[in-house]
Amino acid sequence: DTGVSQDPRHKITKRGQNVTFRCDPISEHNRLYWYRQTLGQGPEFLTYFQNEAQLEKSRLLSDRFSAERPKGSFSTLEIQRTEQGDSAMYLCASARWGPPYEQYFGPGTRLTVT
Amino acid sequence: DAKTTQPNSMESNEEEPVHLPCNHSTISGTDYIHWYRQLPSQGPEYVIHGLTSNVNNRMASLAIAEDRKSSTLILHRATLRDAAVYYCIPGVNNNAGNMLTFGGGTRLMVKP
Repeated sequence: DTGVSQDPRHKITKRGQNVTFRCDPISEHNRLYWYRQTLGQGPEFLTYFQNEAQLEKSRLLSDRFSAERPKGSFSTLEIQRTEQGDSAMYLCASARWGPPYEQYFGPGTRLTVT
Repeated sequence: DAKTTQPNSMESNEEEPVHLPCNHSTISGTDYIHWYRQLPSQGPEYVIHGLTSNVNNRMASLAIAEDRKSSTLILHRATLRDAAVYYCIPGVNNNAGNMLTFGGGTRLMVKP
């Protein structure tokens, strides 16, 4: 399977702990996106990379969130000092640059903060 | 971002066609219209896109109104595996990184 993969698929953590998620995009895709989805809602954009450069961050991405994409390949999303409100599905997507700009999503990492 | 209006839910019988409407009256002239769907417990899945003309692919057809203010996703023969939330996303172009703005979508239920 050469699709987008995410690890772990599920994470349960206690409030105040740090967590890190990984996303491996489709290999030839130079754009990588992170979204967050809470129950019953559509996904919301968090941030995106073109190659290794982080080009945009949403207002949703507080200072406790940081994302990296070293060498323009896989990406990590870290949440420091987790809060119960961070409980959500974190989705990663990748895309080629150029029209029609369709994105390919991974299965997501479900985070539960207790 | 272009605003969208979709029905919250729709129901279909298996093997029958389904027409999922979307209004996007504020779409810009160069914006693609994308449709994604999300099956239970999975990430969203790209379905189809269009700009001005009607489009067909192996998953669905997309009918775009002449004024581009609305579009309809057509599943020609619904199967149980098509039960999902369908999102209409206008406003996809090369500006602002093409991040997708998901609305509430339409939850499609398929009855056997």
